[in-house]
Amino acid sequence: GAVVSQHPSWVICKSGTSVKIECRSLDFQATTMFWYRQFPKQSLMLMATSNEGSKATYEQGVEKDKFLINHASLTLSTLTVTSAHPEDSSFYICSASLLAVATDTQYFGPGTRLTVL
Amino acid sequence: DAKTTQPTSMDCAEGRAANLPCNHSTISGNEYVYWYRQIHSQGPQYIIHGLKNNETNEMASLIITEDRKSSTLILPHATLRDTAVYYCIVRVAEINNFNKFYFGSGTKLNVKP
Repeated sequence: GAVVSQHPSWVICKSGTSVKIECRSLDFQATTMFWYRQFPKQSLMLMATSNEGSKATYEQGVEKDKFLINHASLTLSTLTVTSAHPEDSSFYICSASLLAVATDTQYFGPGTRLTVL
Repeated sequence: DAKTTQPTSMDCAEGRAANLPCNHSTISGNEYVYWYRQIHSQGPQYIIHGLKNNETNEMASLIITEDRKSSTLILPHATLRDTAVYYCIVRVAEINNFNKFYFGSGTKLNVKP
């Protein structure tokens, strides 16, 4: 159980285009989903927290108009990188948790590798 | 910001126990310690978590000091497939803060034949 999927697993796009990444919890309903970004040889950096039916909460320094997050249902959250540029190239990882309590575990997706040309 | 410090890298011989330390001296009383690992180009994999007591599951054991300022993850019989970056995370327990994870730099464990 507790499987999280991401789609696509990798994507290459031209500078200026927008890219949508999907995160799904396959066998549980996730009240909260998280989005992270990871550059090569670096750790994961939390970008934003999303709850079903409400606006996402962004970490300091993350542009909310650049990284649009939609948490439309308890099993799906999407991250859209708008007007992508080469510096947005990164590994994007989502996670999902069942309950927003201290004992609840975050389950991570396999990640999406974005390359912007 | 991450509230943990870990050694950058460690080596371990295959079949031996791997002991990965983590310092979290500013941990609050209601904050849990979580351990995840990340194999290259994959999402992090949950290993174990605890609050005060030592914990054990099929993957590993977690030893938390009595003052909770540090902990050790123990992989009892390391295999080559355990080579990964191991992250020790203190889970935020603030009200309305959705229990976020702030990842530190982790420890690269190299299991050698």
